[in-house]
Amino acid sequence: GDSVTQMEGPVTLSEEAFLTINCTYTATGYPSLFWYVQYPGEGLQLLLKATKADDKGSNKGFEATYRKETTSFHLEKGSVQVSDSAVYFCALRGLRGSNYKLTFGKGTLLTVNP
Amino acid sequence: DTEVTQTPKHLVMGMTNKKSLKCEQHMGHRAMYWYKQKAKKPPELMFVYSYEKLSINESVPSRFSPECPNSSLLNLHLHALQPEDSALYLCASSLAGAYNEQFFGPGTRLTVL
Repeated sequence: GDSVTQMEGPVTLSEEAFLTINCTYTATGYPSLFWYVQYPGEGLQLLLKATKADDKGSNKGFEATYRKETTSFHLEKGSVQVSDSAVYFCALRGLRGSNYKLTFGKGTLLTVNP
Repeated sequence: DTEVTQTPKHLVMGMTNKKSLKCEQHMGHRAMYWYKQKAKKPPELMFVYSYEKLSINESVPSRFSPECPNSSLLNLHLHALQPEDSALYLCASSLAGAYNEQFFGPGTRLTVL
């Protein structure tokens, strides 16, 4: 079945540091890939998405590229801020039949210190 | 309107109570979802409605009963819950189709005493 593996946290960085959160997946065909962010006490917000190989999703300074050859979708940001502190989930949506199911990674807690 | 709204924000109930969670969206989405999220875990899918019909039930106990009265509303009826059902319940919606992202509401924090 489909699965997503993302790097275990927690990740602690200083403000303006470079961020990478690794995400790899297993799925048949060409799934859609997503990064969601969850701030404390809130629901999930879509951060970015990519629907085909070599697509780059970007939003709010975050980027991720859909790499079919390495089955990866790593999240990066050049300079993190304290306000980026949150839990980040990598997810995929498979293409089997009418299954709309999102498969999530376990989540990575990011803490950014001033 | 690009929001999914959920009410109530917090709910405390006893094991013999009956309560309902409500979710609403006005984005014209025809797929709606219920997820359960325990602390420090990713969301777990419970139910999927597509065009107001239940299309996926992830083997959820019958004490959880979903309802989709129209294309904008999704309810989750709760009865005889257990303390281990305490969690954040998230509603989401999306356009139908495999490539479309799901938009999540803020959730209802449920505590079962």
